[in-house]
Amino acid sequence: QVLLQGSGPRLVKPSETLSLTCTVSGDSISGYYWNWIRQPPGKGLEWIGYIYPGGGSNYNPSLKSRVIMSVDSSKNEMSLSLTFVTAADTAVYYCARPYKRGWYGGAFHLWGQGAIVTVSS
Amino acid sequence: QSVLTQPPSVSGAPGQRVTISCTGSSSNIGARYDVHWYQHLPGTAPRLLIYSNTDRPSGVPDRFSGSKSGTSASLAISGLQAEDEGDYYCQSHDTSPSAVIFGGGTKLTVL
Repeated sequence: QVLLQGSGPRLVKPSETLSLTCTVSGDSISGYYWNWIRQPPGKGLEWIGYIYPGGGSNYNPSLKSRVIMSVDSSKNEMSLSLTFVTAADTAVYYCARPYKRGWYGGAFHLWGQGAIVTVSS
Repeated sequence: QSVLTQPPSVSGAPGQRVTISCTGSSSNIGARYDVHWYQHLPGTAPRLLIYSNTDRPSGVPDRFSGSKSGTSASLAISGLQAEDEGDYYCQSHDTSPSAVIFGGGTKLTVL
């Protein structure tokens, strides 16, 4: 069974950096485009971006200037950093994996349990 | 405002069939990018229902079906059950700019 486990601070102050990590167990992280997706309260799903182990990333244009994603293949985990956060960044954050290796266009079959992150002073 | 347009809500009685539309444009669905559908129930992570327009992952009942034509796609749910109540999202990819995109979501109410 493949599991995605998210971790990181759940309360972040405005203007600071949100940092989350997603650890993959049960399968190798290689070969997949690893994505972060969020859902603000009362709103729909929003794609944040993806990273591909070994090189390559693509971020939502609306967040691109504040997003950094990285992968640590030795630990089988990926990370998200979102800088200069505001209350609008309050959301449930998910890591997600597409259905098949090499797919970058979505079809997210495996999801983390979701991390509720609140931006507040 | 989402790049993919879905109706805010649909409803149906148990046993009935409902459809949820997803309208895009020539830069996403019309550019031959696949459409995928998700079910999102409160307190859980989204669940992939349909991938590549028409295919179901293992474990998804055949009550759920997808179709795509031109710049639009649809999700059909037949034999509605109370546990189908929740939010449904379509998802595709856009070329300009290159990005994964979601519809705004449709709330399904089982009457």
